[in-house]
Amino acid sequence: EIVMTQSPLSLPVTPGEPASISCRSSQSLLRSDGYNSLDWYLQKPGQSPHLLIYFASNRASGVPDRFSGSGSGTDFTLEISRVEAEDVGVYYCMQGLQNPLTFGGGTKVEIK
Amino acid sequence: EVQLVESGGGLVQPGGSLRLSCAASGFTVSTNYMNWVRQAPGKGLEWVSVIYTNGDTYYGESVKDRFTISRDNSKNTLYLQMNSLRAEDTAVYYCARDSDDSSGKFDYWGQGTLVTVSS
Repeated sequence: EIVMTQSPLSLPVTPGEPASISCRSSQSLLRSDGYNSLDWYLQKPGQSPHLLIYFASNRASGVPDRFSGSGSGTDFTLEISRVEAEDVGVYYCMQGLQNPLTFGGGTKVEIK
Repeated sequence: EVQLVESGGGLVQPGGSLRLSCAASGFTVSTNYMNWVRQAPGKGLEWVSVIYTNGDTYYGESVKDRFTISRDNSKNTLYLQMNSLRAEDTAVYYCARDSDDSSGKFDYWGQGTLVTVSS
């Protein structure tokens, strides 16, 4: 099983300031076609999760461009260039490379 | 418009059974990989199971041999049969659609249904 480790667990942020979340996998998520099978999801309070980033760096439809993903292999980062109040919630990374699919433990982003 | 609507959750005693349903609209469940993901109260997300377009199924270790994923193409509905339920199965259960390229990204999620296992 591929273990996904996120940090930090909690991230207090000031609106307008940048934020960064790290995700590491116990095995490389790089596919033979050159894509990394790593997604980012946001679960806002009281809601279902929704897809933010796929293949490590591609924004899902409708996702604001202040969100960006980077990384390859085993180390990945989600960055928010300027945090807005609506960005609060828990962020999860997930590997889609092999079963069982596995999620990181989550990073709770809250406004200071 | 793609929609996923779960139902079937509720209170069940340890050792009991429950069947969850996920009614899909806006696409056909047999043409996408379909998943169940759960979230215990106050905890993170845990992948539970997947059914591929060819009918192959896979399960997380914690539910293997107790849960069964299936679909009914005529009803365009995904199911999760849960047997021998334990307290640790208490969670909100979400169905989630894998994208059209089956790349392991969940592009649509349902609203979830709560399963509580308690005596």
